[in-house]
Amino acid sequence: SQKIEQNSEALNIQEGKTATLTCNYTNYSPAYLQWYRQDPGRGPVFLLLIRENEKEKRKERLKVTFDTTLKQSLFHITASQPADSATYLCALDNNYGQNFVFGPGTRLSVLP
Amino acid sequence: EAQVTQNPRYLITVTGKKLTVTCSQNMNHEYMSWYRQDPGLGLRQIYYSMNVEVTDKGDVPEGYKVSRKEKRNFPLILESPSPNQTSLYFCASSSGQGAGELFFGEGSRLTVL
Repeated sequence: SQKIEQNSEALNIQEGKTATLTCNYTNYSPAYLQWYRQDPGRGPVFLLLIRENEKEKRKERLKVTFDTTLKQSLFHITASQPADSATYLCALDNNYGQNFVFGPGTRLSVLP
Repeated sequence: EAQVTQNPRYLITVTGKKLTVTCSQNMNHEYMSWYRQDPGLGLRQIYYSMNVEVTDKGDVPEGYKVSRKEKRNFPLILESPSPNQTSLYFCASSSGQGAGELFFGEGSRLTVL
């Protein structure tokens, strides 16, 4: 059956370190993968998109990689700050923009 | 300001009492969608719409109805709510051009007693 997993439910890191979040999927062949940030009680906010033919994407302190062979995406936040504390969701496009499927999310806490 | 607006934000109701959660977007987006979010299960798609009068089921459509009579509005209807529909609901929209990012509303927390 189809499944999306994110490495852990919660991740604690020290301020200034690099946070690495993992998104693994099985039985999907997504054309692209997106990452979202969700703060408590708020709707998810789009961060980055990476296509299946792209290996890496960067935006300021954020970096996303996409390995379709391993069926895995890694999401990195460099020089992390307490303000980066939130839940991060990965999402696959399962049907050409019609059916976005989300992972369960990883709750990141950046400790000062 | 580009936004997706949901109402109500919070609602407590009783089993069987029909309710509608409204969703409106001001970005002229063709694609709109409803999700529910439950602890441990993540976001699951209920229904989506590719354009006016075009709707289709997502992964968990049972117990819900939708309509898309205008491009900007996509209401979610619970004809006879049950306690298992207690959840946090999100409406989202996108330009619908394949890899378009989703814009989410602020969420509607529904409790069915």
